[in-house]
Amino acid sequence: DGGITQSPKYLFRKEGQNVTLSCEQNLNHDAMYWYRQDPGQGLRLIYYSQIVNDFQKGDIAEGYSVSREKKESFPLTVTSAQKNPTAFYLCASSAGRGAVTQYFGPGTRLTVL
Amino acid sequence: AQSVTQPDIHITVSEGASLELRCNYSYGATPYLFWYVQSPGQGLQLLLKYFSGDTLVQGIKGFEAEFKRSQSSFNLRKPSVHWSDAAEYFCAVAHFWGDSSYKLIFGSGTRLLVRP
Repeated sequence: DGGITQSPKYLFRKEGQNVTLSCEQNLNHDAMYWYRQDPGQGLRLIYYSQIVNDFQKGDIAEGYSVSREKKESFPLTVTSAQKNPTAFYLCASSAGRGAVTQYFGPGTRLTVL
Repeated sequence: AQSVTQPDIHITVSEGASLELRCNYSYGATPYLFWYVQSPGQGLQLLLKYFSGDTLVQGIKGFEAEFKRSQSSFNLRKPSVHWSDAAEYFCAVAHFWGDSSYKLIFGSGTRLLVRP
């Protein structure tokens, strides 16, 4: 089955630690996205990537970093510079340039202890 | 600035009753509009989308939505709600971000509770 997988489902981090969230897709999509979701709010875009080895900041990129070394993978690192990292993180993908519809993974819940 | 408003934070309906979730958008050009559904602790599932053409669009799980340009609305409807429809619903508009890129702008969501 084609789809998007995110791991782990739950992640706990101590303050001051960096942590990396995994996102993999086998839809052969070119574009991938990371969103953050906080209770009672919609999704906010962190980073996106249209092609391998290229990515752009979204609306709330501060304290986050990404890489796109393979088409299938778009890991997100939450750094210690992110002031309030506890949230639900969602990865999405779309077919590529000009494609509007995005498909979402199951999400990772990050809790900072 | 482009935005999406979902005026109802919570809605409670009885099982078997009809449902309408409201969505208003602000966007200068012809919008691309979406409804997604999210069960607790899960990702978002696409219910339906509107790009152009017939203003009444059909989606999965018996949902439909109507695009009304004059009212800047894209309300989601279902004639008879099932207990399994209890979830959070998000309306979104695609914003063209240059270089053939789009980003989705989401409303803050409406949580649907279904009374037995």
